[in-house]
Amino acid sequence: KAGVTQTPRYLIKTRGQQVTLSCSPISGHRSVSWYQQTPGQGLQFLFEYFSETQRNKGNFPGRFSGRQFSNSRSEMNVSTLELGDSALYLCATPHTNTGELFFGEGSRLTVL
Amino acid sequence: AQSVTQPDIHITVSEGASLELRCNYSYGATPYLFWYVQSPGQGLQLLLKYFSGDTLVQGIKGFEAEFKRSQSSFNLRKPSVHWSDAAEYFCAVGANTGTASKLTFGTGTRLQVTL
Repeated sequence: KAGVTQTPRYLIKTRGQQVTLSCSPISGHRSVSWYQQTPGQGLQFLFEYFSETQRNKGNFPGRFSGRQFSNSRSEMNVSTLELGDSALYLCATPHTNTGELFFGEGSRLTVL
Repeated sequence: AQSVTQPDIHITVSEGASLELRCNYSYGATPYLFWYVQSPGQGLQLLLKYFSGDTLVQGIKGFEAEFKRSQSSFNLRKPSVHWSDAAEYFCAVGANTGTASKLTFGTGTRLQVTL
């Protein structure tokens, strides 16, 4: 059973650009959560999608957005990148019965 | 609002020694509690979880944790640490609503193991 797959694993952007990250959840799972991990702020919840609808949202500016497709794959987008957006972005899906989260390996974004 | 405190930023233990990582949480009701481990450059791997029932939970890799409601704590323990346990450990709390998709994490404890 494939796990959570995130692409790309690494990317470098410059300030002002925008970036799109992709996450494919565990097969058959309809919920996807996104987290940002930085040395200063730690792990912070960005948003959660379930069946193509945003169900929860963290405390991030509107530059951070996401969506989910009918096949449960999710994308998150960050516009007008700032240096502080450099982070590891993690995607996760919950186990259907137990609710525990399974995480992907993350997409490491560096903003120059 | 829920919160998690991991008071130890960095801990060093000798291989074979016992380990206890502290975690205190703040939550209005009975929470879902988790411990995750992260190796450098990797995502998070679940070590163990507490949802309800027995307050002493067993996890993978020989780890266990005890939920103490009176102390709002969920400390992680291992009787004998292996060099491969060196990593960063995160305690997390989630709402007890059936699925814990939105977790609040502690700031993590980095474990170093000396040989």
